[in-house]
Amino acid sequence: DVKVTQSSRYLVKRTGEKVFLECVQDMDHENMFWYRQDPGLGLRLIYFSYDVKMKEKGDIPEGYSVSREKKERFSLILESASTNQTSMYLCASSPQGDGTEAFFGQGTRLTVV
Amino acid sequence: GNSVTQMEGPVTLSEEAFLTINCTYTATGYPSLFWYVQYPGEGLQLLLKATKADDKGSNKGFEATYRKETTSFHLEKGSVQVSDSAVYFCALSTSTGFQKLVFGTGTRLLVSP
Repeated sequence: DVKVTQSSRYLVKRTGEKVFLECVQDMDHENMFWYRQDPGLGLRLIYFSYDVKMKEKGDIPEGYSVSREKKERFSLILESASTNQTSMYLCASSPQGDGTEAFFGQGTRLTVV
Repeated sequence: GNSVTQMEGPVTLSEEAFLTINCTYTATGYPSLFWYVQYPGEGLQLLLKATKADDKGSNKGFEATYRKETTSFHLEKGSVQVSDSAVYFCALSTSTGFQKLVFGTGTRLLVSP
């Protein structure tokens, strides 16, 4: 059974903390993505990676960075958490190729207080 | 740029009613089109897809046809069940941009017995 695993389902952090969200996939996919999901806004792309050590900004990269040191792992970093980063964060992976399916993790609900 | 517009919810139906959720898109080139579903407390999973004009995607009684002339990919089901209650996302990806998925805002479906 294919799987994308996010390290935490729920996380509470304080304003100003550095926060790491981890994502691991076991499908040998080239592409990995981080989205945030907010009511009324759908899913918005933060960053994506198409290969190890490669990264590209998505639509809302401000306040975030990413790391992909190994093919199976893609980390999202909040350099200094703020309350407006309270959200649901979804990781996804997909193989290269047109029209390929993306597989999603269960999400991490982050609350910044 | 690329974008997806889908009808706002919630959509409230009785069991066995007919379902339509509208989705239209704007894209350069020839996108692939998807419907993803998110059940309560879970990540997104692919429901169906279509990769070229006039293709019909289908799964679990749901259908959607890729209409290039109207830039639409409406989701339909002839008889909904309580278990279909979820949030439905329309999305597209293009052959450029590393197969990034662009999502609509999501439509919540509530089916009552």
